Amino acid sequence: DVKVTQSSRYLVKRTGEKVFLECVQDMDHENMFWYRQDPGLGLRLIYFSYDVKMKEKGDIPEGYSVSREKKERFSLILESASTNQTSMYLCASSSGQYNEQFFGPGTRLTVL
Amino acid sequence: KNEVEQSPQNLTAQEGEFITINCSYSVGISALHWLQQHPGGGIVSLFMLSSGKKKHGRLIATINIQEKHSSLHITASHPRDSAVYICAVVNSGNTPLVFGKGTRLSVIA
Repeated sequence: DVKVTQSSRYLVKRTGEKVFLECVQDMDHENMFWYRQDPGLGLRLIYFSYDVKMKEKGDIPEGYSVSREKKERFSLILESASTNQTSMYLCASSSGQYNEQFFGPGTRLTVL
Repeated sequence: KNEVEQSPQNLTAQEGEFITINCSYSVGISALHWLQQHPGGGIVSLFMLSSGKKKHGRLIATINIQEKHSSLHITASHPRDSAVYICAVVNSGNTPLVFGKGTRLSVIA
């Protein structure tokens, strides 16, 4: 069974803290993605990566950075968490021409 | 950039009803995906379409490339179908998906 796992289901952090969200996939996929999901706004792409050590900005990269040192792992970093980064964060991986994506269970992050 | 519109935003149905969710996009695509998200967050892929029609159990997805429109149908709806249904398109090649905002479906027994 294919799997995308995320390091935490729920996370509570304080304003100004550095936050790491980890995503691991076991399908040998080239492509990995980080999204945030907010009520009424749908899924919005933060960053994506098509290869190890490669990253591309998505639609809303401000306040975030990413790291992909190994093919199976894609990390999202909030350098200095702010309350407006309270959200559901979803990781996905994909392969192939039509980009069928497999999603992790999500991390619900609350920044106080 | 492609714009993806879904309708309706919210839908409440009685168990057993036939349900249709619509998705329209603005520019040509190479493929369209339908995804399902249950309460609790997990998102699963239901269909990937580049033409025609696909069926899986009580779910049917169709696409009209010329009209830039796709529909997801659920026959004999059941409360366990209650979820958010999301349409997403692939503009070309290996580019990121562009998502609609989703349709929240509630099926009442």
